[in-house]
Amino acid sequence: GAVVSQHPSRVICKSGTSVKIECRSLDFQATTMFWYRQFPKQSLMLMATSNEGSKATYEQGVEKDKFLINHASLTLSTLTVTSAHPEDSSFYICSAPGQGSTGELFFGEGSRLTVL
Amino acid sequence: GNSVTQMEGPVTLSEEAFLTINCTYTATGYPSLFWYVQYPGEGLQLLLKATKADDKGSNKGFEATYRKETTSFHLEKGSVQVSDSAVYFCALSDTSGNQFYFGTGTSLTVIP
Repeated sequence: GAVVSQHPSRVICKSGTSVKIECRSLDFQATTMFWYRQFPKQSLMLMATSNEGSKATYEQGVEKDKFLINHASLTLSTLTVTSAHPEDSSFYICSAPGQGSTGELFFGEGSRLTVL
Repeated sequence: GNSVTQMEGPVTLSEEAFLTINCTYTATGYPSLFWYVQYPGEGLQLLLKATKADDKGSNKGFEATYRKETTSFHLEKGSVQVSDSAVYFCALSDTSGNQFYFGTGTSLTVIP
């Protein structure tokens, strides 16, 4: 089946630095990718929809200058957390819809960000 | 609008017990329905899906039936194992397949 890969799986950084997380669709093309943030009590929050060749669409309350999303190609989307602070520590997950009419989402493995 | 309401957890069961996790939805049109499972420290994996009314999705002993009349997609398993311990998410995609909606997740712990 379709595979989505995320990298890095874990990253620790100092406060004030920027961190980039990559999301790749390995065996299919994804014109759209979704970025989620998962909070400690497990709920998923959709942050933004990444669109290949155009600007990302951010959900209400998500700072677009803080969470930069770039969908550079049909197989790669990146999320950059700029000037990270401890409150940005979280589990970030990307996903991409598979091809076909069933609307199944394929998820990356997730990236655990810890900001010291 | 579209939404998914899922039974809150956490749920703790003994091995071989029967599992039900309730999920109801609100949607216009004809959504597809999904159950995803998340094991500790991992991303979400598709567990099963159903794309139209009365369809039954099944995988690894789990089942869920798309009930349009009750707008439900309850997850069931007859005999859970310790390895089933995970977080389970109910989800729907709208008719276009471009929008996805998730429940809040239900944490399941199975004890030997």
